[in-house]
Amino acid sequence: GAVVSQHPSWVICKSGTSVKIECRSLDFQATTMFWYRQFPKQSLMLMATSNEGSKATYEQGVEKDKFLINHASLTLSTLTVTSAHPEDSSFYICSARVEGRNEQFFGPGTRLTVL
Amino acid sequence: AQTVTQSQPEMSVQEAETVTLSCTYDTSESNYYLFWYKQPPSRQMILVIRQEAYKQQNATENRFSVNFQKAAKSFSLKISDSQLGDTAMYFCAFMIPTGGSQGNLIFGKGTKLSVKP
Repeated sequence: GAVVSQHPSWVICKSGTSVKIECRSLDFQATTMFWYRQFPKQSLMLMATSNEGSKATYEQGVEKDKFLINHASLTLSTLTVTSAHPEDSSFYICSARVEGRNEQFFGPGTRLTVL
Repeated sequence: AQTVTQSQPEMSVQEAETVTLSCTYDTSESNYYLFWYKQPPSRQMILVIRQEAYKQQNATENRFSVNFQKAAKSFSLKISDSQLGDTAMYFCAFMIPTGGSQGNLIFGKGTKLSVKP
């Protein structure tokens, strides 16, 4: 149980385009989902916390107009990188928290390459 | 603010040997959780072990155990009988279950562990 999927697993796009990444909890309902960014050989950096039915909470330094997060249902959160640039190339990981359990379950990640 | 420090960027161990990864943290909270996550080359984050701060007994999961020293704010991971499949990045993480940062994980910078045959 507690499986989280991400789609796509990797994406290559041109500079200036927008890319949407989906995060789904497959066998549980997640009232809270988290989005992380990980550069090569570095740790996970929390970008934002996504709560179902409300606006996401962004960490300091993360542009909310550039990284649009929507958590429209209890099993789906999306991250849209708008007007992507090469510096946005990174590994994006989502996780979901099971209500009542102090633990996060992670998706397999999405590798974004912006040309 | 909470911080997590992993002072060993890289470690290596011979197969079947034991290795200990260090982690220290800083917090003024009394109720929190500590985790060790493994990230193999596939980059999938895998929970290795968790510890509730209110529990004095050290958590164990098969070959993995922790040495939780609350007063010293130390949370080390011991891997016994190391296997080649243990080769991965290991991240120590901290969570406060309640309050404004409810459920947020704060990660250390990680330790790259290599198990050598």
